[in-house]
Amino acid sequence: AQKITQTQPGMFVQEKEAVTLDCTYDTSDPSYGLFWYKQPSSGEMIFLIYQGSYDQQNATEGRYSLNFQKARKSANLVISASQLGDSAMYFCAMREWRGDDKIIFGKGTRLHILP
Amino acid sequence: GAGVSQSPSNKVTEKGKDVELRCDPISGHTALYWYRQRLGQGLEFLIYFQGNSAPDKSGLPSDRFSAERTGESVSTLTIQRTQQEDSAVYLCASSSGLIDPLNEQFFGPGTRLTVL
Repeated sequence: AQKITQTQPGMFVQEKEAVTLDCTYDTSDPSYGLFWYKQPSSGEMIFLIYQGSYDQQNATEGRYSLNFQKARKSANLVISASQLGDSAMYFCAMREWRGDDKIIFGKGTRLHILP
Repeated sequence: GAGVSQSPSNKVTEKGKDVELRCDPISGHTALYWYRQRLGQGLEFLIYFQGNSAPDKSGLPSDRFSAERTGESVSTLTIQRTQQEDSAVYLCASSSGLIDPLNEQFFGPGTRLTVL
């Protein structure tokens, strides 16, 4: 079974609109962390935001926020006021705190921002 | 250096040849990962090193793939008898390995492997 599921292989959004990228995860470990990374066409992986399983509040970083719904095991990324530079591949990832440091990535969502 | 470095940045090889890809993690990072990313696809986990523990090789696709790491420094990913389906970008990442809620992975620029 997949640990991280990103159901949207591609999305098209008009510039300045908000966009939500979906991510669901599967774990039996009560302690875990969730990450979002951005990969522009240049290929570099850029860390965006992190949410810990015990964090009481949804994480925010500038225009990025994480809609964390623990009971539903979802960790959707919300980008407000999208910009052309947001066009990229976005990956959701999870680390389970089982004593190792392994991080599992989803298959990604390709986001296209339209002018 | 300040970040994760990988070499070569590009490698073109003929089918059947062996290749070695190198990763220099951030100094002090005990955890090191290798991923494969085919064109337009997601990251495929290959192997994970954590300190002196036995590596997690569960993602290696075949016995043609192997990786080594010298202590907590350089790692080499070796692909023997390369096949065309091995063509991909191979990404290396490292993290501090600390028990820290925010322990992000830092990625290298990748090695683009093309097997003709």
